[in-house]
Amino acid sequence: QVHLVQSGAEVKKPGASVKVSCKASGYTFTDQYMNWVRQAPGQGLEWMGRINPKSGDTKYAQKFQGRVTMTRDMSISTAYMEVSGLTSDDTAVFYCVTNGATAIWGQGTLVTVSS
Amino acid sequence: EIVLTQSPATLSLSPGERATLSCRASQSVRSYLAWYQQKPGQAPRLLIYDASNRATGIPARFSGSGSGTDYTLTISSLEPEDFAVYYCHQRSNWPWTFGQGTKVEIK
Repeated sequence: QVHLVQSGAEVKKPGASVKVSCKASGYTFTDQYMNWVRQAPGQGLEWMGRINPKSGDTKYAQKFQGRVTMTRDMSISTAYMEVSGLTSDDTAVFYCVTNGATAIWGQGTLVTVSS
Repeated sequence: EIVLTQSPATLSLSPGERATLSCRASQSVRSYLAWYQQKPGQAPRLLIYDASNRATGIPARFSGSGSGTDYTLTISSLEPEDFAVYYCHQRSNWPWTFGQGTKVEIK
C-alpha cells in the first residue's frame, strides 16, 4: 500500500527557513514525480512544484521560484521541500503528493511563522 | 496556466438530496481532471480521477462526468458525512492547478 509520511509541525520566526520531509513506502520511489502543495488557513490548494526522484530534476511554480528548493534522498525514499525567507504569509499546511491519476497525499505538515 | 472555475461557491442542501458541482477549465484538460473532498483538519481525499473513474473505496453515490473544458461531480443522495469542501484539479498541463472549491453545507 502506497504511503507518504511527512515530518511534524514546525514553528518558525520570520526570515527563517523550514525543511519538510516526506517518506514514501509501498512503491518504487524513483518511479513517480513527487509534488508539493500548499494550503494556507481557510484557503484553497496551491501547487508549489515537483521533483523527479530519479534524476533530481525540479520544476517550480513561478510564485515560489527562488525561495523553494526540492531535493530527495533515494537511499531512504524521502523527498524534501525547503522554503527560505519565511513570512507570516507562509503559515500553511504543506502536502507531498505523488504524480499520476490516483495520487496519494501525505498527511500534511503545518508550518506556523510567527515572531 | 489553466484556470479552473468551480460553481457554485456554496451549495446548501439537505441529506438525501442530489448535489451537482461544476468545474470549468480555461482550456481543455483532456479529461485529466480529478475531484477531491476535504474536511477540516484532513488532507484532501481523492474521489474521482480522469474525469469519471471512482478512486478505490469511494461509494457509488459519487460520480464524475465531462470532457474538454466542462466537468461535473454528482453526489446522488447526500449522506451526513458528505458535507465538506470539494476541489477539482487538473494534471493535464504544468503547473497543476486547482479550483477554488465548492462548500457543500447542510441546509
